Amino acid sequence: GQNIDQPTEMTATEGAIVQINCTYQTSGFNGLFWYQQHAGEAPTFLSYNVLDGLEEKGRFSSFLSRSKGYSYLLLKELQMKDSASYLCAVRTSNDYKLSFGAGTTVTVRA
Amino acid sequence: NAGVMQNPRHLVRRRGQEARLRCSPMKGHSHVYWYRQLPEEGLKFMVYLQKENIIDESGMPKERFSAEFPKEGPSILRIQQVVRGDSAAYFCASSPRGGSNTEAFFGQGTRLTVV
Repeated sequence: GQNIDQPTEMTATEGAIVQINCTYQTSGFNGLFWYQQHAGEAPTFLSYNVLDGLEEKGRFSSFLSRSKGYSYLLLKELQMKDSASYLCAVRTSNDYKLSFGAGTTVTVRA
Repeated sequence: NAGVMQNPRHLVRRRGQEARLRCSPMKGHSHVYWYRQLPEEGLKFMVYLQKENIIDESGMPKERFSAEFPKEGPSILRIQQVVRGDSAAYFCASSPRGGSNTEAFFGQGTRLTVV
């Protein structure tokens, strides 16, 4: 089976930086996705890493280390609207379905 | 360009009734995936369909659950004789093609409550 772990909750202050870690143990690997999900809404795509290193996209960055089975999502200059659940998902080799972690609920406080 | 459309958004069923959840993929997308999200848990893969074909149903419970994606019309996830444990959010995602490098776009989900 697939094992994907991420913290349950994180709290940060508006304007600050938060780093959400994700570790995975999967039978094969072919990409790691981060999604944002506001309560009662659809998960929306944030980033995709398949090679080691950092992918930067505006205020959001995602890092991957395949040898360590580790990724993080970095949110900079936090805004109140960033309060949401952040989902780490792994796509295994030659596969199309995503295996999701339970999600990290981030609360941004003024 | 409308996104993935799911209906109904909320569905209440009594134990033993049938639930039908509908998903219209994004325009031009021919691949549909269904996921289930239980409270406090991550999304769990259920089934992957292309038009008129079930490609992978490894995440579907063996009984009471079925899915289809007909040539015309939306994909349907059908749950017969619902039980309280079926209460969850059911999400549909679509992609223009299959394969590992394809991003999937999610609908807003159907929240099923079994009373």
